[in-house]
Amino acid sequence: GAVVSQHPSRVICKSGTSVKIECRSLDFQATTMFWYRQFPKQSLMLMATSNEGSKATYEQGVEKDKFLINHASLTLSTLTVTSAHPEDSSFYICSASAVGVAPDTQYFGPGTRLTVL
Amino acid sequence: AQSVAQPEDQVNVAEGNPLTVKCTYSVSGNPYLFWYVQYPNRGLQFLLKYITGDNLVKGSYGFEAEFNKSQTSFHLKKPSALVSDSALYFCAVRLGSARQLTFGSGTQLTVLP
Repeated sequence: GAVVSQHPSRVICKSGTSVKIECRSLDFQATTMFWYRQFPKQSLMLMATSNEGSKATYEQGVEKDKFLINHASLTLSTLTVTSAHPEDSSFYICSASAVGVAPDTQYFGPGTRLTVL
Repeated sequence: AQSVAQPEDQVNVAEGNPLTVKCTYSVSGNPYLFWYVQYPNRGLQFLLKYITGDNLVKGSYGFEAEFNKSQTSFHLKKPSALVSDSALYFCAVRLGSARQLTFGSGTQLTVLP
């Protein structure tokens, strides 16, 4: 149980375009989802915390107008990278905290590799 | 502020030998501690956690970790390493009242056949 999926797993786009990444909890309801960014050989950096039905909370230094987060339901959160540039190329990982199922554990998606040309 | 330190970027161990991946933490309060493993180009997989109770926590794939409050450590251990254990390991901490995890820098474990 507690499976989190991400789509797409890999995306390549041109500079200036927008990219949407989906994060879904497949077998549980997630009141809170988290979005992380990971650079090669580095740790995960929390970008934002997404709560269902409310605005996301962004970490310091993360541009909320560039990284749009929507958590429309208890099983889906989306991250949209707007006007992407090469420096946005990274590995983006989401996680979800389950309601009623080990709420103190985050379950992670498989990640999305974004390459901006 | 809470923080996690993984002092070793790389740990090499021979197959069949015991392995230890170190983690120390700093929080003002009672910590929740976690270990995750990441295989190349994949997300993180949950291994084990310490919330309260017994200081020795057993997790997936034969891994265990010991919570040591006096040393503020939560080292990951396995009695006999497998080549398939080779991966990137992350220690993480959160306070009970918070939802966010703070991750360590990660330790690349390589088990040599």
